Amino acid sequence: AQTVTQSQPEMSVQEAETVTLSCTYDTSESDYYLFWYKQPPSRQMILVIRQEAYKQQNATENRFSVNFQKAAKSFSLKISDSQLGDAAMYFCAYRNVDWGAQKLVFGQGTRLTINP
Amino acid sequence: DAGVTQSPTHLIKTRGQQVTLRCSPISGHKSVSWYQQVLGQGPQFIFQYYEKEERGRGNFPDRFSARQFPNYSSELNVNALLLGDSALYLCASSLYRGEAFFGQGTRLTVV
Repeated sequence: AQTVTQSQPEMSVQEAETVTLSCTYDTSESDYYLFWYKQPPSRQMILVIRQEAYKQQNATENRFSVNFQKAAKSFSLKISDSQLGDAAMYFCAYRNVDWGAQKLVFGQGTRLTINP
Repeated sequence: DAGVTQSPTHLIKTRGQQVTLRCSPISGHKSVSWYQQVLGQGPQFIFQYYEKEERGRGNFPDRFSARQFPNYSSELNVNALLLGDSALYLCASSLYRGEAFFGQGTRLTVV
């Protein structure tokens, strides 16, 4: 079974600084998707960024970028120029290509605090 | 366009009771999935439905059941509630194999 591990229960960063959240996963599949979701106090899961495993290029969305190391099964999220609105729980998630649209396997989450 | 809507937002039930949670997907989305998120943990997959058929089931007891209606809305039913069923229940919708869009969840408290 696929598993996702986030080893940092909590992280904090000064506003405008850069922070990196770690994620490792385990799978025997060669093709899959990886995601970072943000969950603010409103509880709604919001997709931050996605990465297809067959793509070597790391995904980037504005201030958010990933470092995808397929051989090491590592998928970290870098947030640049941190803003107060970035404060939330962040979840790393895995999805097999052969599964249906939404069978996501989530990590335990990292609580990110932004210090003004 | 309206996002994924879930009702109710909060619910308190007594052990042994039954509960029904509801989800309306984004217009045009035919796939709905349910997740359980216990406090302090990541969401756990419960069910996926597509075109009114079950397409996936997580490791949950038979007390958990779901269905999808012709308009693609969905209900999650939990029978014989236990204290451990207290959690945030999240619904997500998508086009098949598309991105999952989540609702704000139903907070279920079992006392």
